[in-house]
Amino acid sequence: EAGVAQSPRYKIIEKRQSVAFWCNPISGHATLYWYQQILGQGPKLLIQFQNNGVVDDSQLPKDRFSAERLKGVDSTLKIQPAKLEDSAVYLCASSLFGTSGGETQYFGPGTRLLVL
Amino acid sequence: SQKIEQNSEALNIQEGKTATLTCNYTNYSPAYLQWYRQDPGRGPVFLLLIRENEKEKRKERLKVTFDTTLKQSLFHITASQPADSATYLCALDKTGYGQNFVFGPGTRLSVLP
Repeated sequence: EAGVAQSPRYKIIEKRQSVAFWCNPISGHATLYWYQQILGQGPKLLIQFQNNGVVDDSQLPKDRFSAERLKGVDSTLKIQPAKLEDSAVYLCASSLFGTSGGETQYFGPGTRLLVL
Repeated sequence: SQKIEQNSEALNIQEGKTATLTCNYTNYSPAYLQWYRQDPGRGPVFLLLIRENEKEKRKERLKVTFDTTLKQSLFHITASQPADSATYLCALDKTGYGQNFVFGPGTRLSVLP
């Protein structure tokens, strides 16, 4: 079974530029999560999709971050414009249903973003 | 305010000893608590899950306890090996139905040969 795929793996941009990350979850998984992990901290949930609907985006800085999950499969996360404090690893995860705190989340390798 | 904390940023232990990692939370009432392992440059990997009505859960050399009165989970690795060196994260679901997961800051474990 293929795992969660993310691209690119690394990205370096200047502040005020825009950037997009792509995630392909495990086939058949209904729920997709985007997390931001700053160095030395635990992952912070940005947005959670169930199929192609948003179920939680309470911690997404909506003035600069946007995300979509077309057709309930792949997802993209965009930052526009980027700030220095957006430097972090962006992790995508998926789970089969996402309706219980007892479900396992499967994480991708992450995209490491450096904003200069 | 709601918080989830892990006992220390880093823990060094000798090979063969038992490592004990602590996860404390305040102002949550989770039905589940999960533990993940994260290696440098990789995403977290699920290890164990414990339910609120379970006191203890075991998997090979791993053991997790959950005390809802103390609002604490302990994660033990027995007979630790250098290959166990990694960051260990605890996580809980704030809502009880799979939304709004919160992760602790992690404990970086180093097992010295």
